[in-house]
Amino acid sequence: EAQVTQNPRYLITVTGKKLTVTCSQNMNHEYMSWYRQDPGLGLRQIYYSMNVEVTDKGDVPEGYKVSRKEKRNFPLILESPSPNQTSLYFCASSTANTEAFFGQGTRLTVV
Amino acid sequence: ILNVEQSPQSLHVQEGDSTNFTCSFPSSNFYALHWYRWETAKSPEALFVMTLNGDEKKKGRISATLNTKEGYSYLYIKGSQPEDSATYLCALPSNDYKLSFGAGTTVTVRA
Repeated sequence: EAQVTQNPRYLITVTGKKLTVTCSQNMNHEYMSWYRQDPGLGLRQIYYSMNVEVTDKGDVPEGYKVSRKEKRNFPLILESPSPNQTSLYFCASSTANTEAFFGQGTRLTVV
Repeated sequence: ILNVEQSPQSLHVQEGDSTNFTCSFPSSNFYALHWYRWETAKSPEALFVMTLNGDEKKKGRISATLNTKEGYSYLYIKGSQPEDSATYLCALPSNDYKLSFGAGTTVTVRA
């Protein structure tokens, strides 16, 4: 089954404790992105990757890191999480000119 | 970042009624427009990808039109049902395929 898999689905952590949210897709898509969704603000892009080893900042990259060492994986790293990073996160993948396929979402709470 | 605006922000519809709402975008440098449906506690799922001026797409009771010259797209729901309750997002890719999302229109269908 074609899918984008994110883990974990839910995470509560403390300020400053490094964490990684994993994202994997099995559709051989070139493009992968991370978004955060906050009430009233819609989906905002954090980071974006056009292919292996090619990444670019989105609209709200501060406080986040990504890597794209393999085509299927695009982890999101929070080196020192802060409460303002409490949000709902989505990973998505696509090919050029096709729709994006989204993961199930990760609800992160930083206390 | 592309300025993508959706209106209204929310609307309530009586079951059986039809409704429509708008996505507005800059008409220059248009590549494509995506519509997504986002149900509560789920991930956004693509409804349509539209690329040509005058395009009309249909999926069941939901249809969409596109006017790239004036920079808008309409999404129509005919004979609304409770299962149509969701947030509907439109998104536009830039030339490097970064997607810019509107804030969405949240539709609530009352039985």
